[in-house]
Amino acid sequence: AQRVTQPEKLLSVFKGAPVELKCNYSYSGSPELFWYVQYSRQRLQLLLRHISRESIKGFTADLNKGETSFHLKKPFAQEEDSAMYYCALRGQGGSEKLVFGKGTKLTVNP
Amino acid sequence: EPEVTQTPSHQVTQMGQEVILRCVPISNHLYFYWYRQILGQKVEFLVSFYNNEISEKSEIFDDQFSVERPDGSNFTLKIRSTKLEDSAMYFCASTKQLQETQYFGPGTRLLVL
Repeated sequence: AQRVTQPEKLLSVFKGAPVELKCNYSYSGSPELFWYVQYSRQRLQLLLRHISRESIKGFTADLNKGETSFHLKKPFAQEEDSAMYYCALRGQGGSEKLVFGKGTKLTVNP
Repeated sequence: EPEVTQTPSHQVTQMGQEVILRCVPISNHLYFYWYRQILGQKVEFLVSFYNNEISEKSEIFDDQFSVERPDGSNFTLKIRSTKLEDSAMYFCASTKQLQETQYFGPGTRLLVL
């Protein structure tokens, strides 16, 4: 079964502090992993996908197949990073469905 | 930048009534999806649609649900006889090709009384 776990419902850090949002997944094959972000009153938008290996808005995420994790990191958090972050998985075998975690609400305090 | 749009933004209905949620995907996209998020829970996949056919559906997507692309631009989700537990935020998404990024609409918040 495909499952995504985000263990932290809420995460609060101060501006300039490092931040790590945890994501673990369960999937028997080689999944594709994503981070989506939802700012207040806005739509879900893609932040990162693991195959592109990009750094967006200072965020990075590395797929660790051994630990089945895809944690999202940023070395210096900004107030504008405050948002809801969702980790998602897309499996192989022709399925296009995204399986989401419950999300982590990040608050960056001044 | 083109965006997926959804109407209405909010809908309140009585239990047992039919509702139609509307989506306009990005114009050159070919694959369409519906997801829902019950308050406090995960975003859940409902259905994917390509070439005027359902390509995949979840166990949530039972006979009460149907999807349609009635014209070249709209993609609709119909719930035939709403239940209290259908209250949720419903998101539409679209992609240009398989294995590409899914772009989400802003959602329709459905409240069934």
